[in-house]
Amino acid sequence: GAGVSQSPSNKVTEKGKDVELRCDPISGHTALYWYRQRLGQGLEFLIYFQGNSAPDKSGLPSDRFSAERTGESVSTLTIQRTQQEDSAVYLCASSLAVSERAQFFGPGTRLTVL
Amino acid sequence: QQPVQSPQAVILREGEDAVINCSSSKALYSVHWYRQKHGEAPVFLMILLKGGEQKGHEKISASFNEKKQQSSLYLTASQLSYSGTYFCGTETRGGGFKTIFGAGTRLFVKA
Repeated sequence: GAGVSQSPSNKVTEKGKDVELRCDPISGHTALYWYRQRLGQGLEFLIYFQGNSAPDKSGLPSDRFSAERTGESVSTLTIQRTQQEDSAVYLCASSLAVSERAQFFGPGTRLTVL
Repeated sequence: QQPVQSPQAVILREGEDAVINCSSSKALYSVHWYRQKHGEAPVFLMILLKGGEQKGHEKISASFNEKKQQSSLYLTASQLSYSGTYFCGTETRGGGFKTIFGAGTRLFVKA
């Protein structure tokens, strides 16, 4: 279908609560990436999924962060016991991978932890 | 592991040229370039997969020097629409398809 979609677009939560962020990649894209972007900063790699291979979790900042992907479709990023430093825009991107690795980004979820 | 971009920021007048550099301490498999406008998601510009490869996109082109582990993005005859933050992303040999982005170069084009 269209581009990468993410929901919610904005999320305000209280410190200590869990949040789930959702990403719908472009249909047919086998690779999916999650990034974190703090205000005025660059893109921080979190996790990468490629087809049925084991995900590359090397960028997850702590064990409070986890992500899942169902086949080659939807992915959810879960942050448990949120902290104020988790406040950021969380961006999801997908790509065809292997032959063409241009990443197409979703609009992001802006997370604010009070 | 994060690639280093330079300059951090640049201000241009419409019609001027600019070069943004990206260098890595690790052997590179590929280099990506993206542009992000304020409040929007990054947009893909180009990817360079081979050493020495140069690619063009309208008046924006890039080169990749695999030996020096560097890439440069060239913006010629800049337009107001070129304003934004430019990020390079690198994939390293042995790093799979994980892309690590530089801190970005803020480009502002004024009339």
